[in-house]
Amino acid sequence: GAGVSQSPSNKVTEKGKDVELRCDPISGHTALYWYRQRLGQGLEFLIYFQGNSAPDKSGLPSDRFSAERTGESVSTLTIQRTQQEDSAVYLCASSSRYSEQYFGPGTRLTVT
Amino acid sequence: DAKTTQPPSMDCAEGRAANLPCNHSTISGNEYVYWYRQIHSQGPQYIIHGLKNNETNEMASLIITEDRKSSTLILPHATLRDTAVYYCIVRAHITGGGNKLTFGTGTQLKVEL
Repeated sequence: GAGVSQSPSNKVTEKGKDVELRCDPISGHTALYWYRQRLGQGLEFLIYFQGNSAPDKSGLPSDRFSAERTGESVSTLTIQRTQQEDSAVYLCASSSRYSEQYFGPGTRLTVT
Repeated sequence: DAKTTQPPSMDCAEGRAANLPCNHSTISGNEYVYWYRQIHSQGPQYIIHGLKNNETNEMASLIITEDRKSSTLILPHATLRDTAVYYCIVRAHITGGGNKLTFGTGTQLKVEL
């Protein structure tokens, strides 16, 4: 079946604008994760959704970042008033409850 | 989650076995060892995981020492397409709270002709 998909693949935005990044998980996967990867660095956890439970938002770096997920389907990561330090690749992953995570190709965000 | 230590880089000749070590001396009894890799400009890819027994799948073998303080990922016949950063991660299967992965800096494996 299809893997995790993300859109857009690339996004260039001006400082101060809001952006929305989309993730379509693998069908049937109850868990969904967002990570951020700055150039040359490892992955940073941002947020985790598991079914209808309250999301784990412990990795969100500021209140400019938020994410939503509708049931066990699509998720949207929103960054308000973007800053240059938000430039990174944003990766989404999905999994069954305790299984390995499957990652999407990422969205490369560039804030100018 | 337990901290892991990996060499920053390794080279391997194409067709030879690549053996990637990982130290996790503070691993707890309920923590699994996971390996992922990230090919340049792609998202991470799951390779294999294990608790205490050695594991093998179509991609690789995982050898975990008896005391579980270290492990080795083996790519039996490395190809140029195996050039990537390899991440060793240890984590428990947590009920409720989340299973986020904590990625360190990994090992950059370069497979050469």
